[in-house]
Amino acid sequence: AQSVTQLGSHVSVSEGALVLLRCNYSSSVPPYLFWYVQYPNQGLQLLLKYTTGATLVKGINGFEAEFKKSETSFHLTKPSAHMSDAAEYFCALPYNQGGKLIFGQGTELSVKP
Amino acid sequence: KAGVTQTPRYLIKTRGQQVTLSCSPISGHRSVSWYQQTPGQGLQFLFEYFSETQRNKGNFPGRFSGRQFSNSRSEMNVSTLELGDSALYLCASRRTSGGPTDTQYFGPGTRLTVL
Repeated sequence: AQSVTQLGSHVSVSEGALVLLRCNYSSSVPPYLFWYVQYPNQGLQLLLKYTTGATLVKGINGFEAEFKKSETSFHLTKPSAHMSDAAEYFCALPYNQGGKLIFGQGTELSVKP
Repeated sequence: KAGVTQTPRYLIKTRGQQVTLSCSPISGHRSVSWYQQTPGQGLQFLFEYFSETQRNKGNFPGRFSGRQFSNSRSEMNVSTLELGDSALYLCASRRTSGGPTDTQYFGPGTRLTVL
């Protein structure tokens, strides 16, 4: 069965520090993977997605993620956190032609001044 | 281009009532998916509609139903509301139903509270 696991329901970093949000997946077929962000009282916004080709994917707002098949991981990073990055982040796996997204449990990112 | 819109944004109902939520996709998008978001269960898929046909269905009881109209607008209905149905209901649209790499674009959600 396909699944997504996000390690750490809450991550706290200082402004300017590295952001690392972890995502591991389980899939019987080559996966596609997405990262979404959700700000308070809003819907989800796509940060980036891995389809095929380059394993290092760059997204919006300075985020990037690296697909590592050997580790079944797709961790999200940002070199320097900003206060505006405080939000909840979701890793997702499209299923059955993509109409269904299987989401991880989400990681809430806090950024301290 | 306008994004996905959902109405109403907030709704309060009592147990046993029914509710209808509406979703207007991005212009030109033909696929609409619905999700339920709760603190305990996270984001769970309800169903997907494409060209007025349900293509995927999640693990929810029959009280949850949906439909899509010829203009791609979609509605979901929950009958005989239970306290546990309190959640944020998110709608997402994408251009086609043909590919898993198609991005789903989300609306702001409808916050349903059941008293």
